[in-house]
Amino acid sequence: NAGVTQTPKFQVLKTGQSMTLQCAQDMNHNSMYWYRQDPGMGLRLIYYSASEGTTDKGEVPNGYNVSRLNKREFSLRLESAAPSQTSVYFCASSRLGGNYGYTFGSGTRLTVV
Amino acid sequence: DAKTTQPPSMDCAEGRAANLPCNHSTISGNEYVYWYRQIHSQGPQYIIHGLKNNETNEMASLIITEDRKSSTLILPHATLRDTAVYYCIPGGAQKLVFGQGTRLTINP
Repeated sequence: NAGVTQTPKFQVLKTGQSMTLQCAQDMNHNSMYWYRQDPGMGLRLIYYSASEGTTDKGEVPNGYNVSRLNKREFSLRLESAAPSQTSVYFCASSRLGGNYGYTFGSGTRLTVV
Repeated sequence: DAKTTQPPSMDCAEGRAANLPCNHSTISGNEYVYWYRQIHSQGPQYIIHGLKNNETNEMASLIITEDRKSSTLILPHATLRDTAVYYCIPGGAQKLVFGQGTRLTINP
């Protein structure tokens, strides 16, 4: 049982390049989330998907887009990467409503140069 | 979202109980209190949550005051592996909003 799987684990981009961070969960969870964590800071919510077919903005959505591809997969896209997007990105999932706790992936460490 | 106040850092001796306080005086009546921890650079790990009553699981105990304005997470016998940043998060049913948390260091 893998839980929440994020790919890639590490990535270096040049300013202006685009990329998609992938996230998949195998726990049949309804809700999925994308967070970023800058050095020494807490996590900030980028986007979330309460259920398949819906997505909503979090605290820091600018510069990102998301796709809830199906119940298992929730991807995060950076259309034109900027150095300010250098961060660790975490994906999480939960049962509908989240009252059972979130399960987080191990993170994607992204550097934009 | 309710605001939280946690001490930025705490120390505890190995084998002793670690008591982590959290103030959430603006919590609304239907919001739960969630606790998560983050060990080094790993993804956060769910610990426990509660609404009004005290809760206990295999990891920790959660004590919530009667007025629900504060709570305490208790790790009964702290080990070195409990060194982490601990986050107290009110609400969370729809989305978790992380603050700065408490950096707990367990000393041998």
